[in-house]
Amino acid sequence: DGGITQSPKYLFRKEGQNVTLSCEQNLNHDAMYWYRQDPGQGLRLIYYSQIVNDFQKGDIAEGYSVSREKKESFPLTVTSAQKNPTAFYLCASSIEQTNYEQYFGPGTRLTVT
Amino acid sequence: GESVGLHLPTLSVQEGDNSIINCAYSNSASDYFIWYKQESGKGPQFIIDIRSNMDKRQGQRVTVLLNKTVKHLSLQIAATQPGDSAVYFCAENGAGSYQLTFGKGTKLSVIP
Repeated sequence: DGGITQSPKYLFRKEGQNVTLSCEQNLNHDAMYWYRQDPGQGLRLIYYSQIVNDFQKGDIAEGYSVSREKKESFPLTVTSAQKNPTAFYLCASSIEQTNYEQYFGPGTRLTVT
Repeated sequence: GESVGLHLPTLSVQEGDNSIINCAYSNSASDYFIWYKQESGKGPQFIIDIRSNMDKRQGQRVTVLLNKTVKHLSLQIAATQPGDSAVYFCAENGAGSYQLTFGKGTKLSVIP
């Protein structure tokens, strides 16, 4: 089955700890994205990557970091600098960045207490 | 419709009726629009898309209408089924942008 996987589905952390969310795709897509979703809100772009070893900040990158060492993988680290990290995090990919249709993973719900 | 604060606009329809979900987009230069369906606790799923050189596009049980004059997009679902219950998002690209900007969503509830 081709698709995007995110793990874990639920994640709990104490305030002040960094945490890394996994995103893997086997669709052979060049572009990958991380979004944050808060209750009753649309998706807000955190970071995106057009190609391996390259990534750009989205609208709300502060307190987050990413890497893109492999085409298939785009992990997101939520650092202790992120003031309000509790949210639903969604990873997506598209064939290339100029192809707007994005395929989403199932999401990771992060709770920080 | 657009949400206010944490409350999503909600549309309740009877099973078998047609549903119309509306979206006002912000950028008059956007030339690509897409609708996603998101079930509770899951990632969004692609429904249908449309480019600005079209006014209407049909899929299986769904139709998207684009009115560029008033910057309005609508999603019509024919013969709505309980499995259609979800939050529906519209998204647009911006001028010169390869990113999507998402609306806040509309919750569709289907009454059996």
